[in-house]
Amino acid sequence: QVQLKETGPDLVQLTQTLSITCTVSGFSLTTYNVHWVRQPPGKGLEWMGAMWNGGGTDYNSAFKSRLSISRDTSKSQVFLKMNSLQTDDTAKYFCARHAVRRGFDYWGQGVMVTVSS
Amino acid sequence: DIQMTQSPSFLSASVGDRVTINCKASQNINRYLNWYQQKLGEAPKLLIYNANSLQTGIPSRFSGSGSGTDFTLTISSLQPEDVATYFCLQHNSWPYTFGAGTKLELK
Repeated sequence: QVQLKETGPDLVQLTQTLSITCTVSGFSLTTYNVHWVRQPPGKGLEWMGAMWNGGGTDYNSAFKSRLSISRDTSKSQVFLKMNSLQTDDTAKYFCARHAVRRGFDYWGQGVMVTVSS
Repeated sequence: DIQMTQSPSFLSASVGDRVTINCKASQNINRYLNWYQQKLGEAPKLLIYNANSLQTGIPSRFSGSGSGTDFTLTISSLQPEDVATYFCLQHNSWPYTFGAGTKLELK
């Protein structure tokens, strides 16, 4: 069955870099797209960026040049890296499978990351 | 960016009640509106896609309606396991945007 699982640190220091891995099963990264979404505590969800099945990427302009998404198809993994972390980057980070004209159909449970000074 | 206004933010209802949650888009999103259920500590679950299509495996008490800018999620007869937060997603145009969520609890 389709599964996505995020793994990453619980705590990241201010101005440091966040790295999260999304490991997927039940589908191929060359067939489906995987996106990243985050949710700060008590706030709404925010789309961050996309890894398209062809290998291209797109990013929410809100993250400017801080965000990078990559993948390793042989390991069925998609990676999020975001630098220059601030306290307002404290959030739960999700990866989600994207199906064309169906939106996000499967999500991971998310990983809660706290940015600490 | 398209703004999604979801209402109400909180909802308290009894088992068996008919429950409705609304999302309003700041511009036309055709029918590209999804509804999700999120329980504490779990992955969000897709309930309804493209405004009114029931995702496989989702109970038929969940339904969706609307097009353009106004959309509704209806639970025809609330069950205890439906206690959760519900949110909408517009996937008509980038960046995709979400409603702020509705927390549903039992009265």
